[in-house]
Amino acid sequence: EAQVTQNPRYLITVTGKKLTVTCSQNMNHEYMSWYRQDPGLGLRQIYYSMNVEVTDKGDVPEGYKVSRKEKRNFPLILESPSPNQTSLYFCASSLSPGIEQYFGPGTRLTVT
Amino acid sequence: SQQGEEDPQALSIQEGENATMNCSYKTSINNLQWYRQNSGRGLVHLILIRSNEREKHSGRLRVTLDTSKKSSSLLITASRAADTASYFCATDNYGQNFVFGPGTRLSVLP
Repeated sequence: EAQVTQNPRYLITVTGKKLTVTCSQNMNHEYMSWYRQDPGLGLRQIYYSMNVEVTDKGDVPEGYKVSRKEKRNFPLILESPSPNQTSLYFCASSLSPGIEQYFGPGTRLTVT
Repeated sequence: SQQGEEDPQALSIQEGENATMNCSYKTSINNLQWYRQNSGRGLVHLILIRSNEREKHSGRLRVTLDTSKKSSSLLITASRAADTASYFCATDNYGQNFVFGPGTRLSVLP
């Protein structure tokens, strides 16, 4: 089954404790992206990747890192999480930018 | 930012009625897409319209695009309770980043 998976689905952590949210797709998609969703603000793009070893900043990259060492995986790293990073995070992928994106189920992160 | 803005923020209709949602954006675009989200779950792609298209249909969905007004509308005909969800427009500007609007919450009452 074609899908985008994210782990963990729920995470509660404390300020400053490094964490990684994994994202994996099995559709051989070139383009992958991370978004955060906050009430009233819709989805905001954090980082995106055109292909292996090619990543770029979206609209809200501060406080986040990403890597794309393999085509299927695109982890999101929070080196020192802060409470303002409490949000619902989505990973998405598509064959190329500008066309239909497939979304993962989301990761609800709470930073206390 | 070329953020899209949906209008209205919330819409409540009866089953069988039509629902219309609007989206405005600020800069020139390549494509405009509409997505649906059920209750905090992942978004599902509904339809894509290219900047050189004016109207597109898919089942009960009709999307229009007016690039001179930088706006798009999504019409859902003969709505069903299962259409209850949030709807988002998303634009890309020939680059590689996407911008989503804040969404319209649609409630279809049985």
